[in-house]
Amino acid sequence: GAGVSQSPRYKVAKRGQDVALRCDPISGHVSLFWYQQALGQGPEFLTYFQNEAQLDKSGLPSDRFFAERPEGSVSTLKIQRTQQEDSAVYLCASILSSRNTGELFFGEGSRLTVL
Amino acid sequence: AQTVTQSQPEMSVQEAETVTLSCTYDTSESDYYLFWYKQPPSRQMILVIRQEAYKQQNATENRFSVNFQKAAKSFSLKISDSQLGDAAMYFCAYRSLYGGSQGNLIFGKGTKLSVKP
Repeated sequence: GAGVSQSPRYKVAKRGQDVALRCDPISGHVSLFWYQQALGQGPEFLTYFQNEAQLDKSGLPSDRFFAERPEGSVSTLKIQRTQQEDSAVYLCASILSSRNTGELFFGEGSRLTVL
Repeated sequence: AQTVTQSQPEMSVQEAETVTLSCTYDTSESDYYLFWYKQPPSRQMILVIRQEAYKQQNATENRFSVNFQKAAKSFSLKISDSQLGDAAMYFCAYRSLYGGSQGNLIFGKGTKLSVKP
């Protein structure tokens, strides 16, 4: 596609529900990043994929957070048993080269509100 | 670990005037990239300008320029001839060339820029 696409753009969940957020990176982009952006803050790194391999998940805040990219293109970020502190915008970004020296392209994010 | 600090939560500028947004960072690395991103209400991060640490020359993109002071670890953004469309959150970001998550960006907390007509 022309850009990084994320869905849903808005998600409201009741505390305890599971949610899944989808990211469609730019076609052919090797590397994919997930960020969490709390209100009024800068994005914070969650996890990183190179093709289908999850090479770094050190930013995932708890074991309730899980990300996958099974075929090296679309990625899903899953949050189990959501808590109010999970409310944030979740940004996905992709980059063409595995050397990661090019530009990072961002999606518009998924805003999650946990009630 | 690297950190990025933006000490101005909010800034305001008159249309057609010039404004400078501040950013400092901390790193022990000698080679890295620095970026300024713009985030409008649509939430999509848009790259404004990029600086490679090994380049002494300050980067410029049309009305946007940086003042990169490597020894001082300072990376400020100057917006000239400000336009209403420049109003947004601006984030300073650092990218290491090393480590397992090459390409990962470390962001500051952002500066909200308002442009007055």
